[in-house]
Amino acid sequence: DTEVTQTPKHLVMGMTNKKSLKCEQHMGHRAMYWYKQKAKKPPELMFVYSYEKLSINESVPSRFSPECPNSSLLNLHLHALQPEDSALYLCASSYPGTVYGYTFGSGTRLTVV
Amino acid sequence: DAKTTQPNSMESNEEEPVHLPCNHSTISGTDYIHWYRQLPSQGPEYVIHGLTSNVNNRMASLAIAEDRKSSTLILHRATLRDAAVYYCILNYGGSQGNLIFGKGTKLSVKP
Repeated sequence: DTEVTQTPKHLVMGMTNKKSLKCEQHMGHRAMYWYKQKAKKPPELMFVYSYEKLSINESVPSRFSPECPNSSLLNLHLHALQPEDSALYLCASSYPGTVYGYTFGSGTRLTVV
Repeated sequence: DAKTTQPNSMESNEEEPVHLPCNHSTISGTDYIHWYRQLPSQGPEYVIHGLTSNVNNRMASLAIAEDRKSSTLILHRATLRDAAVYYCILNYGGSQGNLIFGKGTKLSVKP
């Protein structure tokens, strides 16, 4: 298995809702990442987990809450989002460090209404 | 993180070679040069990476200048499927490194 699987592919949520994005990989990678990508912009790094511990939080608002329950799974919990949070949310995994290539999922297209 | 400079866009004809340039004049000795591409409506895809020597794989070749201040991604025969945004990224090859994307080059391939 050489893929990163993200679910759901599309999500529409209200500003008072709570939802979660899920990311899964079975390549034995011990680093996992969340990126946010607005239309026609490059991906922006949000969080990095290394060996299931949060190692980087790029000053992301607390309405985004990451979780790494085990080495194969990464979640992003969403609460009280704003319309400007609408974006493509990408998950990636790799062996720790940037010597190795990252494998990205296809993303979750999030719309906040 | 060290910065990279890429042209905003490039055009190529199908079945011809494509040379995508990247300038990184502030690169440090421990920075790896990574290339990713993103096809429409998909996540980024790893293409190739290197440190000092030229690198080849089944997708592309990476030519690194001797002073490491620039590099070129070479697609040997462009296909319509190669139309994408290509990102050149530098980062420290340490255990806590991460990839920070710049603006990239949008490659169009004409039949």
